[in-house]
Amino acid sequence: EIVLTQSPATLSLSPGERATLSCRTSQSLGSYLAWYQQKPGQAPRLLIYDASNRATGIPARFSGSGSGTDFTLTISSLEPEDFAVYYCQQRSTWPRTFGQGTRLEIK
Amino acid sequence: QVTLRESGPALVKPTQTLTLTCTFSGFSLSTSGMCVTWIRQPPGKALEWLALIAWDDGKYYSTSLKTRLTISKDTSKDQVLLTMTNMDPVDTATYYCARITSGWWEDYWGQGTLVTVSS
Repeated sequence: EIVLTQSPATLSLSPGERATLSCRTSQSLGSYLAWYQQKPGQAPRLLIYDASNRATGIPARFSGSGSGTDFTLTISSLEPEDFAVYYCQQRSTWPRTFGQGTRLEIK
Repeated sequence: QVTLRESGPALVKPTQTLTLTCTFSGFSLSTSGMCVTWIRQPPGKALEWLALIAWDDGKYYSTSLKTRLTISKDTSKDQVLLTMTNMDPVDTATYYCARITSGWWEDYWGQGTLVTVSS
């Protein structure tokens, strides 16, 4: 089973700042990684798929990069609504697995 | 418009079997490339992938839970069922179902249903 390790666990930033979230995997995924955003009391929302493709309706300030075992989600300039928990997920190998999440909080 | 809705008991006792239903609309699980998946989230914790059923009746399960899980579909009712046996308090979680299309990612999610395991 592929293990996804997200860092940092918590990221404290201010609106307008740039956020960089990391996801490292125990095996190479190629580009088969996605990022989800989850706000309190809500279901997760797909942000980025196949490492670097924005899902429908996702603002351009969200971008994904990486391949193999190292992946990054970047939010170029934080908006108040971006403070949430972010998860990475792989689909390279069964079973699909998630990372433990990064909480992005307001500083 | 794609929607999914989870339903099932809010409270189950330890050792009982849980059956959850995902009722969906706006797509057909008979369409090539369509899948429905189940994911859970214990309170305050991370997402955990559980199971997936595909349009061709292919089924995939979590390694750690596969002996306890069964996923099935009723295409005529637009429903997917998840059964989990021998429930334990650690299985207390919000259970989500989600759609996967030919892009192979969960693009639409239900709102989730909280299941508490307690005697």
